[in-house]
Amino acid sequence: AQSVTQLDSHVSVSEGTPVLLRCNYSSSYSPSLFWYVQHPNKGLQLLLKYTSAATLVKGINGFEAEFKKSETSFHLTKPSAHMSDAAEYFCVVSGVKTSYDKVIFGPGTSLSVIP
Amino acid sequence: EAGVAQSPRYKIIEKRQSVAFWCNPISGHATLYWYQQILGQGPKLLIQFQNNGVVDDSQLPKDRFSAERLKGVDSTLKIQPAKLEDSAVYLCASSARDRAYEQYFGPGTRLTVT
Repeated sequence: AQSVTQLDSHVSVSEGTPVLLRCNYSSSYSPSLFWYVQHPNKGLQLLLKYTSAATLVKGINGFEAEFKKSETSFHLTKPSAHMSDAAEYFCVVSGVKTSYDKVIFGPGTSLSVIP
Repeated sequence: EAGVAQSPRYKIIEKRQSVAFWCNPISGHATLYWYQQILGQGPKLLIQFQNNGVVDDSQLPKDRFSAERLKGVDSTLKIQPAKLEDSAVYLCASSARDRAYEQYFGPGTRLTVT
């Protein structure tokens, strides 16, 4: 069975400061992991993905995430927050890279960026 | 490349009424997903199609929800009869056959049941 925990339901940072959104997962086999972003009244957009290649994954808009198997974590980071980063972020776990694997979304973390 | 299209964008109905949502995936994408996103929660997969066959519908409340993808392209999700707790955003996504992780989402349909 697979599950995803996002440790913070809401994170608030000042513009220009680092962002850390935490995600822990549980999976009975090697997972694929993703981060999606959802801006208000807009569709979900894939930020980045880990699919058993390099453990440090770079995504769009300066975000990156590191897969740490020993900690079962996949935290999302960005060195410097921008106002446009304010959105809902979802950590997602899936199985191997086929269309027959369930995709499970975490509950989401709402990111606020203070000017 | 056109994205995933959904209609309507908003729908308000009374409980016990029926409603249908439509989704047109990205051209060539074999896999289509319907998710339910209740306010303040992450999306929950309702049903997943591979072409016109159902891969997973374990979380679909089959007594009131139904979905079809007759020609392996666009899809319809129906609720009959609706309950208050069905108020949510219904998201459609699609992906290429062997790239389940790379899902492209439509804008969603916001359903309010009164």
